[in-house]
Amino acid sequence: DVKVTQSSRYLVKRTGEKVFLECVQDMDHENMFWYRQDPGLGLRLIYFSYDVKMKEKGDIPEGYSVSREKKERFSLILESASTNQTSMYLCASSPNERVEQYFGPGTRLTVT
Amino acid sequence: QQQVKQSPQSLIVQKGGISIINCAYENTAFDYFPWYQQFPGKGPALLIAIRPDVSEKKEGRFTISFNKSAKQFSLHIMDSQPGDSATYFCAVGDDYKLSFGAGTTVTVRA
Repeated sequence: DVKVTQSSRYLVKRTGEKVFLECVQDMDHENMFWYRQDPGLGLRLIYFSYDVKMKEKGDIPEGYSVSREKKERFSLILESASTNQTSMYLCASSPNERVEQYFGPGTRLTVT
Repeated sequence: QQQVKQSPQSLIVQKGGISIINCAYENTAFDYFPWYQQFPGKGPALLIAIRPDVSEKKEGRFTISFNKSAKQFSLHIMDSQPGDSATYFCAVGDDYKLSFGAGTTVTVRA
């Protein structure tokens, strides 16, 4: 079974803090993704990575950065958290030969 | 802007009834059309997917109908069960990226 794990299920941070969300997959997938999920907006792609140290912007990258130093780990960084970044954050991975993505359980981030 | 428009936002169906969720897209370059199911507290999981070379795909009680000329596809849940209560997302894909619809919350009443 593919397993994608995220470091925290719930996180509360203050405005202006630097926030790190970690994601690890155990299936040697090449591609990894970060989404945010908001009611009525579905899943929106923030960043994705198709190889170690490679990254591409998704649809809503503003206010976020990412890091992928190892194949199995993909980190989302909020340089200076703001209240409008309160959301559910989902990590996913996929192998090169398939479009199907496998999701982690999500991190619910609240910025106060 | 959203690449795929999904409707309805929510629906309630009686046990044993049929749930239908619709999605429409514009870009004809998409060649992969999956549906994901998400239960509360969990990440989305692939339910069923179709490629544009077929018009229908069935897996158990779940069927995708695909209309290439109309650029629309839909999910039918036959004999809906309380355990099907979840949020369903359609998506459109090419290569390895997916763009998701806004989601439909399905509630099946016993």
